Amino acid sequence: GAGVSQSPSNKVTEKGKDVELRCDPISGHTALYWYRQSLGQGLEFLIYFQGNSAPDKSGLPSDRFSAERTGGSVSTLTIQRTQQEDSAVYLCASSPRQGFDEQYFGPGTRLTVT
Amino acid sequence: DQQVKQNSPSLSVQEGRISILNCDYTNSMFDYFLWYKKYPAEGPTFLISISSIKDKNEDGRFTVFLNKSAKHLSLHIVPSQPGDSAVYFCAATVTGTASKLTFGTGTRLQVTL
Repeated sequence: GAGVSQSPSNKVTEKGKDVELRCDPISGHTALYWYRQSLGQGLEFLIYFQGNSAPDKSGLPSDRFSAERTGGSVSTLTIQRTQQEDSAVYLCASSPRQGFDEQYFGPGTRLTVT
Repeated sequence: DQQVKQNSPSLSVQEGRISILNCDYTNSMFDYFLWYKKYPAEGPTFLISISSIKDKNEDGRFTVFLNKSAKHLSLHIVPSQPGDSAVYFCAATVTGTASKLTFGTGTRLQVTL
């Protein structure tokens, strides 16, 4: 079956520009997570959506980062006024329900800010 | 503050031998641990997990051991195969916290012929 998909796979942008990253979770999965992996680092939690509940934004590094999930399915992570330190691989994961610890990851979007 | 640590960035093992990947954690609230495997240009894929009520979980060639007193877990792969060459991430979570995973920095395993 179809896994988690993310687009674009690669994005190069100039410092100061806004970017949008898209995630299509596995159909029927109610929980959706965004992580990022900077060079030489582990995966860092950013934000979590569960059904229609308010998202857990505790991992967002600054107010330049925001995310939404429309209709309980597709999610968009937006980074405004990008900085070079935003360069990383942004990974999306979904799971069937809250508390189901196995998460299914997409291939990621590699963001490079020049 | 790195709450989950994988102190070996890389490991090379001969095919057929045992691979042992180590992970240490500092947060005593963590009660569920997972290992993920990642190939280049792909997202991590779940490999095996263990709850803190156990000290061992086995799935085929993969076994995870948990030592709660030492806040240490390890992944054993026996026998190692060339297809096991990948980056392995240890992750931890506190059940009831919406399963936000805290990851280590990964260990790159190379299985040689």
